[in-house]
Amino acid sequence: QQQVKQSPQSLIVQKGGISIINCAYENTAFDYFPWYQQFPGKGPALLIAIRPDVSEKKEGRFTISFNKSAKQFSLHIMDSQPGDSATYFCAATEETSGSRLTFGEGTQLTVNP
Amino acid sequence: EPEVTQTPSHQVTQMGQEVILRCVPISNHLYFYWYRQILGQKVEFLVSFYNNEISEKSEIFDDQFSVERPDGSNFTLKIRSTKLEDSAMYFCASKSWPAPTYEQYFGPGTRLTVT
Repeated sequence: QQQVKQSPQSLIVQKGGISIINCAYENTAFDYFPWYQQFPGKGPALLIAIRPDVSEKKEGRFTISFNKSAKQFSLHIMDSQPGDSATYFCAATEETSGSRLTFGEGTQLTVNP
Repeated sequence: EPEVTQTPSHQVTQMGQEVILRCVPISNHLYFYWYRQILGQKVEFLVSFYNNEISEKSEIFDDQFSVERPDGSNFTLKIRSTKLEDSAMYFCASKSWPAPTYEQYFGPGTRLTVT
């Protein structure tokens, strides 16, 4: 019940295209859903996050869509750039405590020039 | 911009040896975490630490692991008797709670190689 499932495992898009990564969770106590970006040899860095009281959050080219009834959320990267090539992890946690982040399996995104 | 730092960046040790991984969290943060990432796999939670005690630990965090905040700045992870399967990237993270942000800030990681 603590798992977060992420797909696809890898994704290749052309420069300027839209990258879409999907996640699903089971634990209804989760109330904070961040996305992390990780470059090789580096630690995960927060990209964007959403709480379940909204269905969408947009920051620049990055948008999270959230479907509370389906227990699913997704990351959309508009106008994908080669510099976006990285591994993306969705995560979930119960924010009101100091609770752990539960990560998805990760998506390796490659944006071809 | 404040950041989480970790030392060493790479640690090679022999099976059965003790290792200590060190972290300096962001100075005004209250929650501290250790995660690990086996090569090519997802990031896994090990332990969280608040108010000088463990607040939560995963099933991975068995008796061979311990954490300590020996002074006001460092946060350490000790592995008493390393195993081959402990080879992984170990990330420290910290969080300021409840305000102004709930974000966990991650350090650059320590790559542990057990031979």
